[in-house]
Amino acid sequence: DQQVKQNSPSLSVQEGRISILNCDYTNSMFDYFLWYKKYPAEGPTFLISISSIKDKNEDGRFTVFLNKSAKHLSLHIVPSQPGDSAVYFCAASGGSGNTGKLIFGQGTTLQVKP
Amino acid sequence: EAEVAQSPRYKITEKSQAVAFWCDPISGHATLYWYRQILGQGPELLVQFQDESVVDDSQLPKDRFSAERLKGVDSTLKIQPAELGDSAMYLCASSFHATAPEKLFFGSGTQLSVL
Repeated sequence: DQQVKQNSPSLSVQEGRISILNCDYTNSMFDYFLWYKKYPAEGPTFLISISSIKDKNEDGRFTVFLNKSAKHLSLHIVPSQPGDSAVYFCAASGGSGNTGKLIFGQGTTLQVKP
Repeated sequence: EAEVAQSPRYKITEKSQAVAFWCDPISGHATLYWYRQILGQGPELLVQFQDESVVDDSQLPKDRFSAERLKGVDSTLKIQPAELGDSAMYLCASSFHATAPEKLFFGSGTQLSVL
């Protein structure tokens, strides 16, 4: 049972335009959501997070939106840069017996073309 | 900035051999995680430690995998015997504590290839 889903395996955008990456979850008890970025042969690096008490969090070019009723979150990157090309993972934590572990989606590969 | 250290970065082994991975979390981080990432999929938790105690090993294939964190600092993950399906990236992560929602810090991972 995939509790966190990223239904788009890949996304290609032009440099300077907006990139929108989407993520859906099924467990309504999740209360903390994160986005990680991963380059090949490296570990994931933290990008941005959001608590379930908020619906938006912004950090520079990165903004995460949370829609709890739809169990959906998205990451907006504006403007997109070639260095943003990587795999992006959505992750969630929370629920009964929460141990702090993160449950990850399958990832979306973003390609930003110059 | 402090980092999670992992070694080796790459490991090639033949099936039925034993392999071991090492992780040193960020100093002061009580919680340590081992994740496995298969190409094209997201990381999946294998085992979680709080200090030296196992908190969650429900997804660890215990017939062949073992993990320890004897002094509550660094940790070793072992596979014996390795199988072809074990080829993946093994990621170690740490966090200050597990009682409040917070981000995990990941190491660079060990890329395992089983031939």
